[in-house]
Amino acid sequence: AQSVTQLDSQVPVFEEAPVELRCNYSSSVSVYLFWYVQYPNQGLQLLLKYLSGSTLVESINGFEAEFNKSQTSFHLRKPSVHISDTAEYFCAVSERPNTNAGKSTFGDGTTLTVKP
Amino acid sequence: GAVVSQHPSWVICKSGTSVKIECRSLDFQATTMFWYRQFPKQSLMLMATSNEGSKATYEQGVEKDKFLINHASLTLSTLTVTSAHPEDSSFYICSIPSEGREKLFFGSGTQLSVL
Repeated sequence: AQSVTQLDSQVPVFEEAPVELRCNYSSSVSVYLFWYVQYPNQGLQLLLKYLSGSTLVESINGFEAEFNKSQTSFHLRKPSVHISDTAEYFCAVSERPNTNAGKSTFGDGTTLTVKP
Repeated sequence: GAVVSQHPSWVICKSGTSVKIECRSLDFQATTMFWYRQFPKQSLMLMATSNEGSKATYEQGVEKDKFLINHASLTLSTLTVTSAHPEDSSFYICSIPSEGREKLFFGSGTQLSVL
């Protein structure tokens, strides 16, 4: 079994400031890692994922996350946020080699609020 | 474009009535779909796995007679909340795994309010 802990339930930041949303996981086997974003009254959208290879993964809108196996973390960062980044962010993990993503375990979410 | 279509986006119903929520795969055939429930400010809770042509697999603690799932075709799964009560009010989301099953595509969700 696996678990996911998002260390911050709410993160308020000013526009153009950097941000880090923290995610730690525990699992007895190797994992795949995901960040999903949920805008108000919408379903989740995949932001980025780590499956294998480079431990630093990037999204098209400037977010990046780094898989740190020794610290069992997958923190999400952005060097300069925009108002439009205001949303709920969920970290999720699923166990290898079972690629059944539907069995992913989700964290409780972090509300990112970007202020002007 | 959208991969998953979920309908309706919101529904208000009286206590005791049943509500059907549809989840459609637009881009590819989906033998498996997932149904989640999300309470405000909380994470997604997997309710069940919908399997085309066979019975759904429910997670522990989820009443299968309360939440009826039908996956009659490779592009459509439905979740019916039967005899809804106010405590069933929640945000329901479906998802479909990618063809490689390594990621999920989510529907836009359905906000159910039971009066």
